[in-house]
Amino acid sequence: AQSVTQLDSHVSVSEGTPVLLRCNYSSSYSPSLFWYVQHPNKGLQLLLKYTSAATLVKGINGFEAEFKKSETSFHLTKPSAHMSDAAEYFCGGGSQGNLIFGKGTKLSVKP
Amino acid sequence: GAVVSQHPSWVICKSGTSVKIECRSLDFQATTMFWYRQFPKQSLMLMATSNEGSKATYEQGVEKDKFLINHASLTLSTLTVTSAHPEDSSFYICSAQVGETQYFGPGTRLLVL
Repeated sequence: AQSVTQLDSHVSVSEGTPVLLRCNYSSSYSPSLFWYVQHPNKGLQLLLKYTSAATLVKGINGFEAEFKKSETSFHLTKPSAHMSDAAEYFCGGGSQGNLIFGKGTKLSVKP
Repeated sequence: GAVVSQHPSWVICKSGTSVKIECRSLDFQATTMFWYRQFPKQSLMLMATSNEGSKATYEQGVEKDKFLINHASLTLSTLTVTSAHPEDSSFYICSAQVGETQYFGPGTRLLVL
């Protein structure tokens, strides 16, 4: 069975400080892994994806994620948070287009 | 590239009426589209997988006679909520698949009075 777990329901950081949003996956095979961002009352925007190429994936808006098979993790990071980063973030994993999402992490950015 | 639109963006209807939501891939063709439902402060719940030219595949617990899905072309899938009731009020999001990636529409907010 496949599952995606986001370890934190809410993360709060100060503007200019690093962001870490954690995601762990469980799969019997190497999955494709994704991070999406959702702003209030909006759809999901793809931030980045891992599809078994480079383990360090760079995405849009300065975000990146590292696939660590030994830890079954795909954590999302950003060196310096911006106020506009405040949103809900979803980690997803799957194959052949079928995605399983984590429960989401709400990121708050304090001025 | 890979832009997905939804129409309408929000709709209010009376209980018992039917509502149709359109999902379009604007700059690419998609043989597979997905329909999700999202409750407040929760993750997305997959409702069904829509395949062009064939019947949709519904997830367990989703009533196929209530949520009618049609995928008549490679750029359009529609979700019709039939005989809508207040408990159907939700945020409905579609996505279109390109390779291993899903690209999402902006969502449709449905409020049933």
